Amino acid sequence: GENVEQHPSTLSVQEGDSAVIKCTYSDSASNYFPWYKQELGKGPQLIIDIRSNVGEKKDQRIAVTLNKTAKHFSLHITETQPEDSAVYFCAASPNAGGTSYGKLTFGQGTILTVHP
Amino acid sequence: GAVVSQHPSRVICKSGTSVKIECRSLDFQATTMFWYRQFPKKSLMLMATSNEGSKATYEQGVEKDKFLINHASLTLSTLTVTSAHPEDSSFYICSALARGRGSYFGPGTRLTVT
Repeated sequence: GENVEQHPSTLSVQEGDSAVIKCTYSDSASNYFPWYKQELGKGPQLIIDIRSNVGEKKDQRIAVTLNKTAKHFSLHITETQPEDSAVYFCAASPNAGGTSYGKLTFGQGTILTVHP
Repeated sequence: GAVVSQHPSRVICKSGTSVKIECRSLDFQATTMFWYRQFPKKSLMLMATSNEGSKATYEQGVEKDKFLINHASLTLSTLTVTSAHPEDSSFYICSALARGRGSYFGPGTRLTVT
């Protein structure tokens, strides 16, 4: 089955700095890679995703890059703000169709702290 | 769009009783929903895949007779924890698959078994 490794487990930055979180995956059949932000006591919130036919995707201060050859993808947050502080999870999922469609395997999570 | 609700948000029950948790997709239809369990400061662990109109598919190690899943409509899936024990205390989260858009999570249900 799929195995997703996420690093670092904790990340502390100053407000305005950039933050980068990296994930690797093992199953070459995976081709959908979402990132979730989870605040304390709440469910994960989808913040950005990328599919394997795209190498990079950007949405305002958030960007995700994908290297399918190396089986790794990264989340980049620029101009960080204190409200970006949360736990971030990467995930991987196989292609559309089949019984595994939509089945997410999560990374271990990264606790991001942005200091004012 | 893509809002998922869960009810209740918190529940405390006595050991030996059963608890039902509801997961609803409010503004889209979801033929597939997923149930996860999350321990404090840990990642999400997939428990089962819930398909509308058919039996749920459970992950290895998850007792299907203990965690009953019913997906009776395109907007509702329920998870019933039967004969709950303190070790079942956890944060249970559902997600609903919006085809072409990804999985959207509910706010979670904190279960405490005393």
